[in-house]
Amino acid sequence: EAEVAQSPRYKITEKSQAVAFWCDPISGHATLYWYRQILGQGPELLVQFQDESVVDDSQLPKDRFSAERLKGVDSTLKIQPAELGDSAMYLCASSRGWLLEAFFGQGTRLTVV
Amino acid sequence: GQQLNQSPQSMFIQEGEDVSMNCTSSSIFNTWLWYKQEPGEGPVLLIALYKAGELTSNGRLTARFGITRKDSFLNISASIPSDVGIYFCAGQLNTDKLIFGTGTRLQVFP
Repeated sequence: EAEVAQSPRYKITEKSQAVAFWCDPISGHATLYWYRQILGQGPELLVQFQDESVVDDSQLPKDRFSAERLKGVDSTLKIQPAELGDSAMYLCASSRGWLLEAFFGQGTRLTVV
Repeated sequence: GQQLNQSPQSMFIQEGEDVSMNCTSSSIFNTWLWYKQEPGEGPVLLIALYKAGELTSNGRLTARFGITRKDSFLNISASIPSDVGIYFCAGQLNTDKLIFGTGTRLQVFP
């Protein structure tokens, strides 16, 4: 069964450092989401792509976060500089299109020290 | 960010019991999804609903898309220990973002 691949699974970084996460969606899925999940809460959308275009990045802290999906396939989420409050699980999900089932990867657990 | 209201917040039940949880919103949605998440893992899709009034089953799980399009319900029959986890609802309207609920934590005792 096809899966959303994310790497790394775990990342520990010092504050003020740069960190990057990678996501490879299920083949053929045009819509890609990056979510942040703080422990004990539901996932919150950071950015949504349709192919290579950003559809929604209204909750992305653009002063330090950036996301790209250059060829409309895999995607990278970057944080620079990382802050202590960025410690969370970063989840990537993909779907064939809007209003269709979204499937999640295993996530990247980020700890900023 | 916006989140949907789920209730109950947590449930502690005995194996074999049935479970009901719900999700409500002040906005209408065209799609409702239910996910289960275990510690340290990403959410796993359980059921997808696309039509108001729709009732969909997946094994022991049954979910309903409320006719007002502002709520959804998930039932688990004859719970087993592996049902333990956090259950999230998620709703989407047209091209808007997929919004998640606050989660219901389920604990099943043998």
